[in-house]
Amino acid sequence: EVQLAESGGGLVQPGMSLRLSCAASGFPFDDYVMHWVRRAPGKGLEWVACINWNSDIIAYASSVEGRFTISRDNAKNSLYLRMDSLRTDDSAVYYCAKDIRGFPNGVDVWGQGTTVTVS
Amino acid sequence: NFMLTQPHSVSGSPGQTVTISCTGSGGSIASTYVQWYQQRPGSAPVTVIFEDHQRPSGVPGRFSASIARSSNTASLTISGLQAEDEADYYCQSYHDISHGVFGGGTKLTVL
Repeated sequence: EVQLAESGGGLVQPGMSLRLSCAASGFPFDDYVMHWVRRAPGKGLEWVACINWNSDIIAYASSVEGRFTISRDNAKNSLYLRMDSLRTDDSAVYYCAKDIRGFPNGVDVWGQGTTVTVS
Repeated sequence: NFMLTQPHSVSGSPGQTVTISCTGSGGSIASTYVQWYQQRPGSAPVTVIFEDHQRPSGVPGRFSASIARSSNTASLTISGLQAEDEADYYCQSYHDISHGVFGGGTKLTVL
């Protein structure tokens, strides 16, 4: 069974940093693009970042570019999101998501999410 | 920048058919694939349609989708509406410049 399990969320003060992790299982992790998507309270889904299998395709939403860093460790079947200079409007549930393909496209599997509160 | 626009809300009675639209602007909606996601309150999103009209295993055949090039619009149709279909629905596509793009979401209410 394909599974994605996020961890690392919590309460942090503005300006601080946080690192989210996502443990993947049940599929060949290094065959797929991986995404982070978030949903802030009272708002809709927002795409945050994605990374391809060998990290030579990395893209960010303009709202996080320069502050967030996506990375992956294929040997550990893990995806990461380093979040620096956090702002109150970064407060959201962050979802790890598996792409349908090996190039950026769309999501077919979602994690349960981890909550980040910046206050 | 490419954008996707959805109605804020739609509603229908059990057994009816509802359609949620997703209109592209700033480019052709047919230039890349469109996905549809369902998110119930307090739960993670679930993919109900991928690559324009494909249904993942486990998603009922009541869910279908299409693309209309003439109106630059994708549509999600839910037939035989059930109470469990009440959720927020999002369209999404990926573009080289705008990257991951979500529509604003549509709240489906089952009356």
